[in-house]
Amino acid sequence: DAKTTQPNSMESNEEEPVHLPCNHSTISGTDYIHWYRQLPSQGPEYVIHGLTSNVNNRMASLAIAEDRKSSTLILHRATLRDAAVYYCILKSSGSARQLTFGSGTQLTVLP
Amino acid sequence: EPEVTQTPSHQVTQMGQEVILRCVPISNHLYFYWYRQILGQKVEFLVSFYNNEISEKSEIFDDQFSVERPDGSNFTLKIRSTKLEDSAMYFCASSVNGLTNSPLHFGNGTRLTVT
Repeated sequence: DAKTTQPNSMESNEEEPVHLPCNHSTISGTDYIHWYRQLPSQGPEYVIHGLTSNVNNRMASLAIAEDRKSSTLILHRATLRDAAVYYCILKSSGSARQLTFGSGTQLTVLP
Repeated sequence: EPEVTQTPSHQVTQMGQEVILRCVPISNHLYFYWYRQILGQKVEFLVSFYNNEISEKSEIFDDQFSVERPDGSNFTLKIRSTKLEDSAMYFCASSVNGLTNSPLHFGNGTRLTVT
């Protein structure tokens, strides 16, 4: 699987937007960009995914660069419940059935 | 919203004993997975399962491990003879299909402690 690079940690203030970056310069044309998060003592939770176009759902937005070498997960108004490790993962057709988790970004939300 | 459920939430066992971890995937999902996370480390893929057979497995998934779908709803992970280093959180997941745009839905895990 192509590799992703994320900052180890980020902080945000409650009720402010959060932009979590991810670099994936070796992405291939058929790789989907998936984001998951893991709250303390819980299993990973699916957040959003996309291929080329920006995507929105009830949890977040995903902005994908035109060259697809980077993407940004946007939480529009962070809450204390959003404190978690956020993982950016490329899902490729070569290994479509599983995800490879990196270290992710630990998001701290300050009240 | 449908969810993946795992039992038990915590299992303590002695080294050398067999353990079975149980999962009920989401009902219309066809692909099933086991992952593990040793305390403070990354989430690691163990195995994927489709159509009653293993479709992929990692090097962690050696002969001590086996998976089974004994009926239409349960998906189990068996560790034949547990070692201290098997202590970890074990997460079950399922997906509708195995395509690259198909998200995985995870349970909240079973914490396995081997003493």
